[in-house]
Amino acid sequence: EVQLVESGGGLVEPGGSLRLSCAASGFTFTNAWMSWVRQAPGKGLEWVGRLKSKTDGGTPDYATPVKGRFTISGDDSKNTLYLQMNSLKIEDTAIYYCSTEDFGHHSNTRIFDFRGQGTLVTVSS
Amino acid sequence: DIQMTQSPSSLSASVGDRVTVTCRTSQFISNYLNWYQQKPGSAPKVLIYAAYTLQSGVPSRFSGGGSGTDFTLTISSLQPEDFATYYCQQSYSSPRTFGQGTKVEIK
Repeated sequence: EVQLVESGGGLVEPGGSLRLSCAASGFTFTNAWMSWVRQAPGKGLEWVGRLKSKTDGGTPDYATPVKGRFTISGDDSKNTLYLQMNSLKIEDTAIYYCSTEDFGHHSNTRIFDFRGQGTLVTVSS
Repeated sequence: DIQMTQSPSSLSASVGDRVTVTCRTSQFISNYLNWYQQKPGSAPKVLIYAAYTLQSGVPSRFSGGGSGTDFTLTISSLQPEDFATYYCQQSYSSPRTFGQGTKVEIK
């Protein structure tokens, strides 16, 4: 069974840094596209960024609001995805979910599959 | 970036009602459109992908339609467990983008 367990959230001051982790199991991590999606309190979903599988180049991709501040990486030996967040802003306050981004059955469309409860990041002084 | 416009942002309906949510994209996305359901305190889960394909395990009262730039999510007969927030999302290009959500509430 696919499992994704996010951790590392907490309270941080504006301008600070935090690293989130997503421990994955139940699938071949090295073959997966992995994304981070966030949700500010009472708001909608916002894609943060993605790490493509090694077979697809292993490159990260970021949403404009976090580009240059956030870095996504993966450790294949630990089956873990990371989100390094620097220069945090108040507007980065959100629940952060990690997700696989795999093809739907018999489809060329990739879909998010959220298996964890997310981790809450609060940026406040 | 592809902009996603969902409507309505919220609606009130009764059990048994037929409910339709629309999603319009700012650019052509073929059928690269997914629908998610989110209940309070839980992560979103996919209901429909590729515009009209029902995810395994999702009740058949949910259906999706459309292509190009205009899409719909229909619940044929609303059930108590369907009261939630629904999001459309495009997987045509990066950055991935979501609609702002439609909250379905009990009338």
